[in-house]
Amino acid sequence: TQLLEQSPQFLSIQEGENLTVYCNSSSVFSSLQWYRQEPGEGPVLLVTVVTGGEVKKLKRLTFQFGDARKDSSLHITAAQPGDTGLYLCAAMEYGNKLVFGAGTILRVKS
Amino acid sequence: NAGVTQTPKFQVLKTGQSMTLQCAQDMNHEYMSWYRQDPGMGLRLIHYSVGAGITDQGEVPNGYNVSRSTTEDFPLRLLSAAPSQTSVYFCASSYSPGTSLSTDTQYFGPGTRLTVL
Repeated sequence: TQLLEQSPQFLSIQEGENLTVYCNSSSVFSSLQWYRQEPGEGPVLLVTVVTGGEVKKLKRLTFQFGDARKDSSLHITAAQPGDTGLYLCAAMEYGNKLVFGAGTILRVKS
Repeated sequence: NAGVTQTPKFQVLKTGQSMTLQCAQDMNHEYMSWYRQDPGMGLRLIHYSVGAGITDQGEVPNGYNVSRSTTEDFPLRLLSAAPSQTSVYFCASSYSPGTSLSTDTQYFGPGTRLTVL
């Protein structure tokens, strides 16, 4: 059982549609991070959320940290083909271990 | 700055062979880590280090060995390769060890794609 559960596992949508991906856990975290990974490359940090209920925006991407700091969501408005990639959430486990969810593969078709 | 570099980019091994995956960073980061990435499994932590001379195990350490003799380098050794170790391996580094790591930026290398026959 993974510490961080991501859903959906795979999402294929048309350009211009909106979407939301989720990252859930039974544990409480001090902070949570979202990364995006393109094929053949390493993950790149998009955002870190640290306060329960926090909302951060990065252009068309909106990140929210749950009030209880157990879950987070990533919403993309008007998706574009350039948004295609693997989206990963990550959080710090005890003992300086950064753990990742299994990820959501997003494909945006033009 | 080159950031985080990994060599080789691709490697094919036979079962039982040993090899070392190299990782180096030029950002003077204290924290370095190794992950493996398999389809549907995300990134799983193998080993990590909070500074030179200090290493610890992650989620999936069996079959792998690490050492950290300098701040810059963090090699990963496969002692006797097995087909189950076929994966893509990523090295990452960040500035702050300790509790501030939860808000720190992890910088990832480009990965090494390893196939064990």
